Amino acid sequence: KAGVTQTPRYLIKTRGQQVTLSCSPISGHRSVSWYQQTPGQGLQFLFEYFSETQRNKGNFPGRFSGRQFSNSRSEMNVSTLELGDSALYLCASSLEGAIDYGYTFGSGTRLTVV
Amino acid sequence: DQQVKQNSPSLSVQEGRISILNCDYTNSMFDYFLWYKKYPAEGPTFLISISSIKDKNEDGRFTVFLNKSAKHLSLHIVPSQPGDSAVYFCAASAKENSGGSNYKLTFGKGTLLTVNP
Repeated sequence: KAGVTQTPRYLIKTRGQQVTLSCSPISGHRSVSWYQQTPGQGLQFLFEYFSETQRNKGNFPGRFSGRQFSNSRSEMNVSTLELGDSALYLCASSLEGAIDYGYTFGSGTRLTVV
Repeated sequence: DQQVKQNSPSLSVQEGRISILNCDYTNSMFDYFLWYKKYPAEGPTFLISISSIKDKNEDGRFTVFLNKSAKHLSLHIVPSQPGDSAVYFCAASAKENSGGSNYKLTFGKGTLLTVNP
């Protein structure tokens, strides 16, 4: 079956702009989580969506937001981009959001802010 | 405050030998641990996991050991192969939400493993 699909794979944006990233989970998975990977901080949890509701949120400013659609696809939005937002953004999907029942990552979107 | 630490940024081993990757954690609420392997420009790929009720879990060439009293886990790869060369992440989770499920991962910063032919 198809894995987790993230689009686009690469993005270059200018400071101050906003960006939207997309994640299509594995068919049947209802939970989508987002992570940011940077060289200095490693992988950090952004938020988790389940059945179109944000259930959990990490320690990121309000410029980072997301949503989930009825087909479980999720989008993540970053407004007023800063240079420090340059990172690999990863999403992971799971059946119910429980990690011990399987948690699969996509290949990520590489965002560069210039 | 880094709750999951991988103190070795890199490790180099010879093909056929054992690779041992280490991970320490500070949060005593963590009850589920995972190892992921990551190649450049790809997402992390799940390798093996262990629940806190166990001290060892094996899957083929991969074995994870958990020492709860020391808050330490390790991943053993035997025998190591050149295709194992990648960044290995240790991750942990705790039952933090009201539903009682593990919903988020806290990652270490990774160890770059190089297996030389």
